[in-house]
Amino acid sequence: SYELTQPPSVSVSPGQTARITCSGDALPDQYVSWYQQKPGQTPVMVLYKDSERPSGIPERFSGSKSGITATLAISRVEAGDEADYYCQVWHDSDHRGVFGGGTKLTVL
Amino acid sequence: QVHLVQSGAEVKRPGASVKLSCKASGFFLINYHMHWLRRAPGQGFEWVGCINPNEEHRSYAGKFQGRLRVTRDTSTNTVYMELSSLTSEDTAIYYCAREESAFAVWGQGTLVTVSS
Repeated sequence: SYELTQPPSVSVSPGQTARITCSGDALPDQYVSWYQQKPGQTPVMVLYKDSERPSGIPERFSGSKSGITATLAISRVEAGDEADYYCQVWHDSDHRGVFGGGTKLTVL
Repeated sequence: QVHLVQSGAEVKRPGASVKLSCKASGFFLINYHMHWLRRAPGQGFEWVGCINPNEEHRSYAGKFQGRLRVTRDTSTNTVYMELSSLTSEDTAIYYCAREESAFAVWGQGTLVTVSS
């Protein structure tokens, strides 16, 4: 199926590493992308093809995938990383996007 | 520089239609799949539909079939989304996005409010 499951919230202290998971049966066969949206701002792609970083995204953002679970890791978390994070895959070859429910990252 | 600039906020009555625009600069729409997505208040992202580079094929999410139309004007490098039979559940911020392995470039969003 193309359902993606994310934890609703993750909390981390500044300087620590935040890990946000995304689970779904389709993940072994699909690249995962990750997006960050801060309140009142436009969404930003932070990772694509599981672990590729677009230009301008800090190296602190990394991605991995194992089996049906993908993970977005944010090292040395800063207050400015507080945002909603979404994972996304493509549903078959018809360019239909499927999103996870989103995870609110809180920096304590 | 690549930009997507969307039209302004809309307020519509239930049952009405809305047409949103998304003007591209710095690239040509004919070279990319262009998508529409939305985020309702307190909700996550929802894929709405897309148009492919040669405009021969459009894909729409099942829940919008029959009331959604995505079009493109190559002369103005603008993509449009028209949604009809609006209900309060269509209240959301609608985004256009350029596909490049993922939703690589986003418009600033257009708030559509459906209210009687």
